[in-house]
Amino acid sequence: GESVGLHLPTLSVQEGDNSIINCAYSNSASDYFIWYKQESGKGPQFIIDIRSNMDKRQGQRVTVLLNKTVKHLSLQIAATQPGDSAVYFCAETSDNTDKLIFGTGTRLQVFP
Amino acid sequence: DAEITQSPRHKITETGRQVTLACHQTWNHNNMFWYRQDLGHGLRLIHYSYGVHDTNKGEVSDGYSVSRSNTEDLPLTLESAASSQTSVYFCASGPASSYNEQFFGPGTRLTVL
Repeated sequence: GESVGLHLPTLSVQEGDNSIINCAYSNSASDYFIWYKQESGKGPQFIIDIRSNMDKRQGQRVTVLLNKTVKHLSLQIAATQPGDSAVYFCAETSDNTDKLIFGTGTRLQVFP
Repeated sequence: DAEITQSPRHKITETGRQVTLACHQTWNHNNMFWYRQDLGHGLRLIHYSYGVHDTNKGEVSDGYSVSRSNTEDLPLTLESAASSQTSVYFCASGPASSYNEQFFGPGTRLTVL
């Protein structure tokens, strides 16, 4: 069946650098994509989402890019801070289902 | 402030016992979900509900049941706990108008011995 996956299980960056977390999806019918952040011992937190009719959306220090041609989603974090250390999940959903399909997650480690 | 809570936060039980995990939200959300999280699998949907008296099976529903008698609560029951059900369980809720927007609880770590 369709699935959502991530290229890198662990990403280590230096404080102040930009981070890019990638995600590949396989369901071309998906029309909504979401990034979640999960800190140790906590539940996932919504970060940002994007609809399939957009290719870029910006939030506070975060940007999500969507490339529908290659079915690729990325999360960019500017000026990464120690508080950004967490596991990041991408998730997809579509009009014909109201359930989220989550990827396995990427751990972001920020070093001083 | 509105919130979503889960209890207990940690539970150890024995194989064969019935276990119920509680989930309570004060956002008045119609949609509620239960996931389990295991290393290498991410979050997998167990059961979900779109409103009072509505329940639906998710991807990994075998061995689990839910009931929705009011808007605020969606308890998850393991009828006969198995070691394979050792996991971290997350409850989530969301408004009916925005199926993609889900707010997660803090999780319950369940160990089945």
